[in-house]
Amino acid sequence: DVVLTQTPPTLSATIGQSVSISCRSSQSLLDSDGDTYLNWLLQRPGQSPQLLIYSVSNLESGVPNRFSGSGSETDFTLKISGVEAEDLGVYYCMQATHAPWTFGGGTKLELK
Amino acid sequence: QVKLQQSGAELVKPGASVKLSCKTSGYTFSTSYMSWFKQIPGQSIEWIGMIYAGDGGTGYNQKFKGKATLTVDTSSSTAYMDLSSLTTEDSAVYFCARGTEWGQGTLVTVSS
Repeated sequence: DVVLTQTPPTLSATIGQSVSISCRSSQSLLDSDGDTYLNWLLQRPGQSPQLLIYSVSNLESGVPNRFSGSGSETDFTLKISGVEAEDLGVYYCMQATHAPWTFGGGTKLELK
Repeated sequence: QVKLQQSGAELVKPGASVKLSCKTSGYTFSTSYMSWFKQIPGQSIEWIGMIYAGDGGTGYNQKFKGKATLTVDTSSSTAYMDLSSLTTEDSAVYFCARGTEWGQGTLVTVSS
């Protein structure tokens, strides 16, 4: 199975600060169809996960544009340009290129 | 508006089985896929498998073969997941998800 390693496991930020989360894959996530199925999700406390970004860099409808994704093959990054209070929770990268789909261990974003 | 409404929390004894439901609305159920996920509180997320409502075709994470069985009832736009031979390791929150929409989750507690 593909292993996704997220760093850091915990991130402390102040409101307005920009932060980045890394997700590294044990194998390339470039699919034979040319797409790269690496998604980012946010799970707020007590809630279901919410899709933020799909296919590396595509912002899901309704998601603020302070969120952005980048990367290729095995290295991916989620950036939040100006953290807001509603952004607190656990961020997960998830790959759907290879079966079974797998998730990273999560990065908890908390207020400093 | 897409909605996924999952059944309520379950307390079951070891060795028993349980059937979880995910009632949908707001989209064409019979031409869509539904995925199921497992999350032990405080831990990351695992993909269990998916089902195509059009023909009932399924794909499972090898880890959950024999443990989970996915079915659908197109007449009621409801997806189901049977979990069998439950152990304490099956205690978790189980989510259904279609595209970007997730259900609210069902907590399953296995205890004697």
